[in-house]
Amino acid sequence: EAGVTQFPSHSVIEKGQTVTLRCDPISGHDNLYWYRRVMGKEIKFLLHFVKESKQDESGMPNNRFLAERTGGTYSTLKVQPAELEDSGVYFCASAGGGNTGELFFGEGSRLTVL
Amino acid sequence: AQSVTQPDIHITVSEGASLELRCNYSYGATPYLFWYVQSPGQGLQLLLKYFSGDTLVQGIKGFEAEFKRSQSSFNLRKPSVHWSDAAEYFCAVERGSYIPTFGRGTSLIVHP
Repeated sequence: EAGVTQFPSHSVIEKGQTVTLRCDPISGHDNLYWYRRVMGKEIKFLLHFVKESKQDESGMPNNRFLAERTGGTYSTLKVQPAELEDSGVYFCASAGGGNTGELFFGEGSRLTVL
Repeated sequence: AQSVTQPDIHITVSEGASLELRCNYSYGATPYLFWYVQSPGQGLQLLLKYFSGDTLVQGIKGFEAEFKRSQSSFNLRKPSVHWSDAAEYFCAVERGSYIPTFGRGTSLIVHP
């Protein structure tokens, strides 16, 4: 069974540019999460999808961040325009139904904004 | 709001030595508690979790953790560390929101 996959693994862009990160969850997982880790800090929640609906987006930093989950399958996280403080590792995780509590994580997408 | 404190940024141990990684949480009720590990180049993987019942929880790779309500702690332990345990370890808590809150992580360095 394929795990959670994220693309790209690393992206280097200049301030003001746009970047789109993609996440493919484990097949059949309705719950999809985006988290971000700035260097040395905690892994912070960004948002949570249940199927195609945004269940909780309270962690999104500002309106430069836009997340979508088309048809309840893969998800994208767009940052436009990117700022220096957006640099970090963006993790995607998925989970099945029922509260087993376990999230399955991708390897993360490292974003560097210069 | 719930929070998770991992006071140790780095821990260095010799191979074969015992290990304890600390985790404290701040939450009104007893939350669900987790430990995840991130090995280099990989995503986070669940080591173990506590929901209720026995306060000593066994996990994968020989790890265990003990929930202590009086101390609001959920420390991770391993009696004998292997070089392959070198990784970053994250404690997380959740209660009813289906959204775990993570700590800042503890990086484990293992000396031969």
